[in-house]
Amino acid sequence: AQSVSQHNHHVILSEAASLELGCNYSYGGTVNLFWYVQYPGQHLQLLLKYFSGDPLVKGIKGFEAEFIKSKFSFNLRKPSVQWSDTAEYFCAVSDYAGKSTFGDGTTLTVKP
Amino acid sequence: EAGVAQSPRYKIIEKRQSVAFWCNPISGHATLYWYQQILGQGPKLLIQFQNNGVVDDSQLPKDRFSAERLKGVDSTLKIQPAKLEDSAVYLCASSPETSGSSYEQYFGPGTRLTVT
Repeated sequence: AQSVSQHNHHVILSEAASLELGCNYSYGGTVNLFWYVQYPGQHLQLLLKYFSGDPLVKGIKGFEAEFIKSKFSFNLRKPSVQWSDTAEYFCAVSDYAGKSTFGDGTTLTVKP
Repeated sequence: EAGVAQSPRYKIIEKRQSVAFWCNPISGHATLYWYQQILGQGPKLLIQFQNNGVVDDSQLPKDRFSAERLKGVDSTLKIQPAKLEDSAVYLCASSPETSGSSYEQYFGPGTRLTVT
């Protein structure tokens, strides 16, 4: 069975601070990995994904994530956050058939 | 392109009543998901369809929840009878991919269900 663990429930940062949100997953087979974001009042949307190839993936708005297979991790990073990055961030894993499991999310608050 | 449509957006019912939610995925998307998201938690997969066939429904409480995707396009999720613990946001998502691809998902706005 798949599981996803997000280490931080709520993160508060000041603008221009660096961000790293932790995500670990448990699954024995080949996985696809995702970060989704939900801005206040908006739908969940894809931030970035890892399917195959380069384990360092870049997404929208300057976000990136690194897949470390040996650590079962897919941490999200951004070198300098903005007030507009305030949102809830979800890490997710899917298997070869598309069955998906989400973490419980991390709420990011960026203070101006 | 038009996004995933869901209706209603909000629903308040009493326990033991029934309720139905509707989802229209993005045109051409083969895979459709229903999730339950309880406040403070991540989306929990209830059922996954590929075209009009069920891929996974292992977490669907089948004694009270049912879902169908006739003709492989739109889908309905029904709860009968509802319990207080069913209060949640019900999300629909669709994906254009089939087996062997990444299954990137596009989400609808959700239906917020309150059971009193």
